Amino acid sequence: QSALTQPRSVSGSPGQSVTISCTGTSSDVGGYNYVSWYQQHPGKAPKLMIYDVSKRPSGVPDRFSGSKSGNTASLTISGLQAEDEADYYCCSYAGSYQVFGTGTKVTVL
Amino acid sequence: EVQLVQSGAEVKKPGESLKISCKGSGYSFTSYWIGWVRQMPGKGLEWMGIIYPGDSDTRYSPSFQGQVTISADKSISTAYLQWSSLKASDTAMYYCARTRSIAAPPVIWGQGTMVTVSS
Repeated sequence: QSALTQPRSVSGSPGQSVTISCTGTSSDVGGYNYVSWYQQHPGKAPKLMIYDVSKRPSGVPDRFSGSKSGNTASLTISGLQAEDEADYYCCSYAGSYQVFGTGTKVTVL
Repeated sequence: EVQLVQSGAEVKKPGESLKISCKGSGYSFTSYWIGWVRQMPGKGLEWMGIIYPGDSDTRYSPSFQGQVTISADKSISTAYLQWSSLKASDTAMYYCARTRSIAAPPVIWGQGTMVTVSS
């Protein structure tokens, strides 16, 4: 199976919004409402930020939001903060297994 | 506290076998799935496979089917990832993570086990 496609990097100034796309196929992103997003800081384990396309786990700021249209899911970070600088990965159920995206580095200028 | 504690870093030679572990605590180990995720140096996350310790139901990502073996011993709340013959390309950080179903995202992650394969 192929990894989901994400932009290699996105950047924004503090307070701005950035959106990360995650493109798959009808066999993964488009076929299920089981898209999640992870944040990973260097040397740390991934942290779940969004699940089931648009739900936020307890403790995740509402600056993080998710959506999906067809075979593409998106993560939007509003009101960008310095601590949001990290790698972000989407993940989708693909029928009996899950598949991650290629990863996006978010830089806060 | 719910946590997953993984075994320590390993340095092995090509062709050697290896089994790393992931011990769950603070919850009913047989009621959740445990998945394994690979992260090669400087690269992204890759889903390897998942096991349900309650009945050892195991699913593999197509890329890892036949390359590794996932198992669990529910009597000691521990899941395993093993290789019969390591390659240099197996050098990576390996994470275990707990999830409530094969479709649900892992929420609780282990600290990772670094495996280095070098001659």
